[in-house]
Amino acid sequence: DVKVTQSSRYLVKRTGEKVFLECVQDMDHENMFWYRQDPGLGLRLIYFSYDVKMKEKGDIPEGYSVSREKKERFSLILESASTNQTSMYLCASSFSGTVEAFFGQGTRLTVV
Amino acid sequence: QKEVEQNSGPLSVPEGAIASLNCTYSDRVSQSFFWYRQYSGKSPELIMSIYSNGDKEDGRFTAQLNKASQYVSLLIRDSQPSDSATYLCAVIPNTGFQKLVFGTGTRLLVSP
Repeated sequence: DVKVTQSSRYLVKRTGEKVFLECVQDMDHENMFWYRQDPGLGLRLIYFSYDVKMKEKGDIPEGYSVSREKKERFSLILESASTNQTSMYLCASSFSGTVEAFFGQGTRLTVV
Repeated sequence: QKEVEQNSGPLSVPEGAIASLNCTYSDRVSQSFFWYRQYSGKSPELIMSIYSNGDKEDGRFTAQLNKASQYVSLLIRDSQPSDSATYLCAVIPNTGFQKLVFGTGTRLLVSP
């Protein structure tokens, strides 16, 4: 079974903190994605990566950065957390050339 | 205009009925279309993919694609209370990258 694992299920951080969300997949997928999900807005793409050290901005990259130093790991970084970044964050991965994306269990981040 | 649009619902159907979920998309040259199911508090899981005009059946699920009208639908036959979830329509637009763009989802409620 494909496994996409996010480091935390729930996270509470203070405004201004630097926050790291980690995602690891065990299927040698080339593509990895970070989405956030908010009520009424659905899933919105923050960043994605199609190879090690490669990254592309999604639809809402402002306030975020990413790192992909190894193929299996894709990190989302909130440089200075703000309350409007309180959300559910979902990581996903897929093979290049196929489009079936598998999701992690999600991280519910609360910024206070 | 949003890239992918869905009615948020809830769509209420009695057990055993056919549930019909609809989705429209704006990018005329999109080629790949997906339906994900998301239970409350869980991450999305892929249930159907469709790439060409017409119907695709998998068990109780049928996906229908009409590229000329730019809509994709999901039919669930013999609906069960366990089908109660939010159904997300996703599209890969013609951007050259395999990134999924999601609709906001339709909440389905199947009553016993």
